[in-house]
Amino acid sequence: ETGVTQTPRHLVMGMTNKKSLKCEQHLGHNAMYWYKQSAKKPLELMFVYNFKEQTENNSVPSRFSPECPNSSHLFLHLHTLQPEDSALYLCASSALPVQGASYEQYFGPGTRLTVT
Amino acid sequence: AQKITQTQPGMFVQEKEAVTLDCTYDTSDPSYGLFWYKQPSSGEMIFLIYQGSYDQQNATEGRYSLNFQKARKSANLVISASQLGDSAMYFCAMREGIGYKLSFGAGTTVTVRA
Repeated sequence: ETGVTQTPRHLVMGMTNKKSLKCEQHLGHNAMYWYKQSAKKPLELMFVYNFKEQTENNSVPSRFSPECPNSSHLFLHLHTLQPEDSALYLCASSALPVQGASYEQYFGPGTRLTVT
Repeated sequence: AQKITQTQPGMFVQEKEAVTLDCTYDTSDPSYGLFWYKQPSSGEMIFLIYQGSYDQQNATEGRYSLNFQKARKSANLVISASQLGDSAMYFCAMREGIGYKLSFGAGTTVTVRA
């Protein structure tokens, strides 16, 4: 596997279910991100992890619970979601911030989540 | 306030022609980076090109070039010799300082016609 992978690619869940999204990066990066992309809205940053430590939580509801066991893996645990949480969830990774460097983020293919 | 503005929701371009996608940004931080990403219908965001605020020259990557006008706070993407595979959504994004957060624009859909 190369780049950033995400599983599953599609997920349909009821509001009372518990599920998890998985992300794995094979780029040797130390920062990982979760984004939410809803229809007709710009991409929204949800969480940032740096060396397994959460460095940013962008006021995300507690029904979304991230986990980063190591620099290569990132999970998003979902429970009691609402229909408005239906969206494309994208994972990304990057090198660590360095002044003057681009440290662009590389994205996975996303998980298309539908909450019924 | 909107940090990244992309005013063109959709554009059509003829194959082999060039297309310019507009992006304006708003920041008071002297150090920032500007990015363009491509998102095909498959969903994956593909990094295309980067321009740093202190870079003297406009960035180029193959058929992609960035027209960086600092005083006007614009960072337009030019795709030359369009191909059918260029049909996708294109997003402009900005990072301020050396933080992690990217602010994305609303995107522009490009459709290349044969």
